[in-house]
Amino acid sequence: ETGVTQTPRHLVMGMTNKKSLKCEQHLGHNAMYWYKQSAKKPLELMFVYSLEERVENNSVPSRFSPECPNSSHLFLHLHTLQPEDSALYLCASSQDRNAADEQYFGPGTRLTVT
Amino acid sequence: GQNIDQPTEMTATEGAIVQINCTYQTSGFNGLFWYQQHAGEAPTFLSYNVLDGLEEKGRFSSFLSRSKGYSYLLLKELQMKDSASYLCAVKRDTGFQKLVFGTGTRLLVSP
Repeated sequence: ETGVTQTPRHLVMGMTNKKSLKCEQHLGHNAMYWYKQSAKKPLELMFVYSLEERVENNSVPSRFSPECPNSSHLFLHLHTLQPEDSALYLCASSQDRNAADEQYFGPGTRLTVT
Repeated sequence: GQNIDQPTEMTATEGAIVQINCTYQTSGFNGLFWYQQHAGEAPTFLSYNVLDGLEEKGRFSSFLSRSKGYSYLLLKELQMKDSASYLCAVKRDTGFQKLVFGTGTRLLVSP
């Protein structure tokens, strides 16, 4: 496999469920990102990991919990979500967080919270 | 704060030329990216400008004016497969989110 992969591609979950999104990058990059893409809104950065350490945590609700076990894998653990959390969740990676290099995106997980 | 504006939607015909504009106001500007995103797919890199001027890459060109806070993406010889959303993204050297995106321009190419 090449590039950035994400599983599952589609997920429907109830508000009381617990699920996890997975991202894997095969590019040898050192930084990985989770973005949320909602209709008619800009991509919103949720979490950044650089060299497996979370750089900062934005004002994201605690019902979203990231995990980065190594430089190639990134997870987003979900629990007790709300309907407004329904969106496309995109994973991305780049060589370095601070360099002016492009970010490579995965195809996303389309999440629907019922 | 930061603000990035681009038109919500544009239409054009096959074989034509279309220009998608992006204006921005941001601190710590360090370059501007254009990405293409087909429905249900990942955004893919198209171009990067950090200096003023025009960058040409095949049918696509991107222009930047730092003093005016303005960029455009020019698509020539439009093809049906160019129907997609085009995202303008500003690279910043400060702040948590170093790549700040606009809402995207949805381009529809008709026969």
